[in-house]
Amino acid sequence: AQSVAQPEDQVNVAEGNPLTVKCTYSVSGNPYLFWYVQYPNRGLQFLLKYITGDNLVKGSYGFEAEFNKSQTSFHLKKPSALVSDSALYFCAVRDTANAGKSTFGDGTTLTVKP
Amino acid sequence: SQTIHQWPATLVQPVGSPLSLECTVEGTSNPNLYWYRQAAGRGLQLLFYSVGIGQISSEVPQNLSASRPQDRQFILSSKKLLLSDSGFYLCAWSDYYTGELFFGEGSRLTVL
Repeated sequence: AQSVAQPEDQVNVAEGNPLTVKCTYSVSGNPYLFWYVQYPNRGLQFLLKYITGDNLVKGSYGFEAEFNKSQTSFHLKKPSALVSDSALYFCAVRDTANAGKSTFGDGTTLTVKP
Repeated sequence: SQTIHQWPATLVQPVGSPLSLECTVEGTSNPNLYWYRQAAGRGLQLLFYSVGIGQISSEVPQNLSASRPQDRQFILSSKKLLLSDSGFYLCAWSDYYTGELFFGEGSRLTVL
């Protein structure tokens, strides 16, 4: 069975500093990995995905993620955080068979302070 | 472009009352459809998914049911709500080949 772990419930950074939100995964085949963002009382929004190719994936709003197969990690990064980046972030892994169901981590709350 | 609509946005229901949440997708055909529940603003639990009309798979035994009467319509129902059914319910669709999920704006259910 596939699984995702987000080891940090909360990440706090100062505006302008780089940010990292961590994610590790477990999957039997090749991983399809995703990051989503959720603002309060809203649905999730897709940020970026890794399926194949370059290990560094670029996505929306200046976010990027680095796929590391040996460490089974897919950490979300941004070089310079904005206050508006404050939100709940979810990492997910997709089962390529079985209707493409996605398994989500428990989420990490990112707070960027001015 | 594709859009997903989910309603109602907010619902307060007494214990034992029925429930119907509806979700429709526009701009795509034969999408995979999903119902998730999010408790206390944290992780998502997959409740049901559907790969086609009338095809429903349940992930967790519970007081809820789902139906897909049309290709782009997905309904979450209950005959008698429990207090534990309270939560934030999210409908989503995915294109099987691109893989990412597209979520509706959610329905917040409070059972009193």
